Amino acid sequence: DTGVSQDPRHKITKRGQNVTFRCDPISEHNRLYWYRQTLGQGPEFLTYFQNEAQLEKSRLLSDRFSAERPKGSFSTLEIQRTEQGDSAMYLCASSLPGTGGSPLHFGNGTRLTVT
Amino acid sequence: GENVGLHLPTLSVQEGDNSIINCAYSNSASDYFIWYKQESGKGPQFIIDIRSNMDKRQGQRVTVLLNKTVKHLSLQIAATQPGDSAVYFCAENPYTGGFKTIFGAGTRLFVKA
Repeated sequence: DTGVSQDPRHKITKRGQNVTFRCDPISEHNRLYWYRQTLGQGPEFLTYFQNEAQLEKSRLLSDRFSAERPKGSFSTLEIQRTEQGDSAMYLCASSLPGTGGSPLHFGNGTRLTVT
Repeated sequence: GENVGLHLPTLSVQEGDNSIINCAYSNSASDYFIWYKQESGKGPQFIIDIRSNMDKRQGQRVTVLLNKTVKHLSLQIAATQPGDSAVYFCAENPYTGGFKTIFGAGTRLFVKA
């Protein structure tokens, strides 16, 4: 399978703990995105990378959230001091380079439950 | 606003009928629009896209229509099948030098056998 891969698929954690998620994009895609989705809602943009550079972060993104893409390949999303409101599906997507936008290819997400 | 809006949250159609899912977008500067399908437990899957210099684009059993005058997007699915049951999202790229894609809340399509 050469699609976008996310790990883990599910994570249950206690409030106050830190969690880290990993995303492996499609290999020839240089853009990588993180989204968050809650039940009944569309994906909400969090941040995106072009190669290793983080080019945009949502102004709604708490400073407890940090994302990295150190070598321009896989990416990690860390949430520090988790809160119950962080419970959601965290989706990673990648896309080809090109002006004017290109379709996102999503992984199947990491479902986070904060108890 | 940040989210692309929707006319209907749910749509129920008979198998074999055509489905039309509508969407209103808010940013007149958006130049690229995409429809995604999301099945339970999976990430959104690309269906079809259209750029602002077009008003219609056809794929296999799907057609996207774009009306920039009223900022309206629609997805037409021909001969709807049970496998089409899913949540459908329209999305836009409000190009401002970046490549952020903004999603609406989605329409759930139920296909009755």
